[in-house]
Amino acid sequence: EDKVVQSPLSLVVHEGDTVTLNCSYEVTNFRSLLWYKQEKKAPTFLFMLTSSGIEKKSGRLSSILDKKELFSILNITATQTGDSAVYLCAAYSGGGADGLTFGKGTHLIIQP
Amino acid sequence: DVKVTQSSRYLVKRTGEKVFLECVQDMDHENMFWYRQDPGLGLRLIYFSYDVKMKEKGDIPEGYSVSREKKERFSLILESASTNQTSMYLCASSPWDRPKQYFGPGTRLTVT
Repeated sequence: EDKVVQSPLSLVVHEGDTVTLNCSYEVTNFRSLLWYKQEKKAPTFLFMLTSSGIEKKSGRLSSILDKKELFSILNITATQTGDSAVYLCAAYSGGGADGLTFGKGTHLIIQP
Repeated sequence: DVKVTQSSRYLVKRTGEKVFLECVQDMDHENMFWYRQDPGLGLRLIYFSYDVKMKEKGDIPEGYSVSREKKERFSLILESASTNQTSMYLCASSPWDRPKQYFGPGTRLTVT
């Protein structure tokens, strides 16, 4: 059975700190890994990673995939209160209509 | 921009009632998905559909059915609502054979 595990499940840090969120996966026919950010409503897309070792970056957020060790990390530098959210990791195994296998999420709280 | 809309943000129903949750997407996506999201359990796939009138069971289909009569619309039906179906329900869509899913704002259903 496909499995995605995120750690930590929750994290409280102070504004300005740097955080690293982890995602490991065991997925048959793995093709790509996606990160989403969910505030009070719909998850919004952050990154999709397909190739190992290539960092994707968007402002203070960055992510990288290690296909040999089957994990990905999401880094957020100089955190702000607006970064408070649940961060979801999902693995995609392709096959046309197959959905994503989601982890349980990391609940990140940034304190002022 | 892709838009996925859901018929209600909040819904309160009584045990035994038949409940319809509607989802509409405006980007001509082939795939549509229904998830439920519960604290500590993450996002779990209920059903998905890859074409009109086609449906596939996800991880937790028991107690639910779906209908897709038009490409843009995917309905989730609770034939006889029960209290353990109190949850946040998220609809999503994606193009065929593409992993990135676009989510609706969610419907928070309470069954009393």
